[in-house]
Amino acid sequence: GAVVSQHPSRVICKSGTSVKIECRSLDFQATTMFWYRQFPKQSLMLMATSNEGSKATYEQGVEKDKFLINHASLTLSTLTVTSAHPEDSSFYICSVAGGTDTQYFGPGTRLTVL
Amino acid sequence: AQSVSQHNHHVILSEAASLELGCNYSYGGTVNLFWYVQYPGQHLQLLLKYFSGDPLVKGIKGFEAEFIKSKFSFNLRKPSVQWSDTAEYFCAVISPNNQGGKLIFGQGTELSVKP
Repeated sequence: GAVVSQHPSRVICKSGTSVKIECRSLDFQATTMFWYRQFPKQSLMLMATSNEGSKATYEQGVEKDKFLINHASLTLSTLTVTSAHPEDSSFYICSVAGGTDTQYFGPGTRLTVL
Repeated sequence: AQSVSQHNHHVILSEAASLELGCNYSYGGTVNLFWYVQYPGQHLQLLLKYFSGDPLVKGIKGFEAEFIKSKFSFNLRKPSVQWSDTAEYFCAVISPNNQGGKLIFGQGTELSVKP
């Protein structure tokens, strides 16, 4: 399957600042990537579907102006959390859509907003 | 709305015990079903998947799952667990009407295996 990396693995920032998280598909051309959010002891919640060269599709309740997604190439999608607040602290995970509905997941990025 | 329900939040077993983790989904049509595992500090990995055919699916590391359409279930099983199976297990569903291949995850089951 595809190898997916995320950078950074952990980030701590001050309230009001913006944070960019990168998701890279290392050995697979990813037309579609997904961004998830995982709270402690809870499931993964899909935030948005990122399609290369077009605007991301956001799930209901996810603020597109707060969580900016850019999928400029077949190997890179970025999630920018703008004006982060403590309630945005979470584990953010990306995945790459492989063939036949299979997704390959990155290792996640733990964001802590002070 | 589609949903996936995992009955057990936390399961504690001794090594060599048998495992069964429950998963039920709400969608009535054709679905693709998955079990993912997340070992401590690692990323989600696919254990097994069911799309069609034999409802008993075998995955990696000795895991298997059985699709029972009449019960809307896709329970995960392993005859004899090992300490290294300690992890979080997620059941997930994609339906053909779920545009774009979006995965809907269950709440997850934390498995702790005592050596």
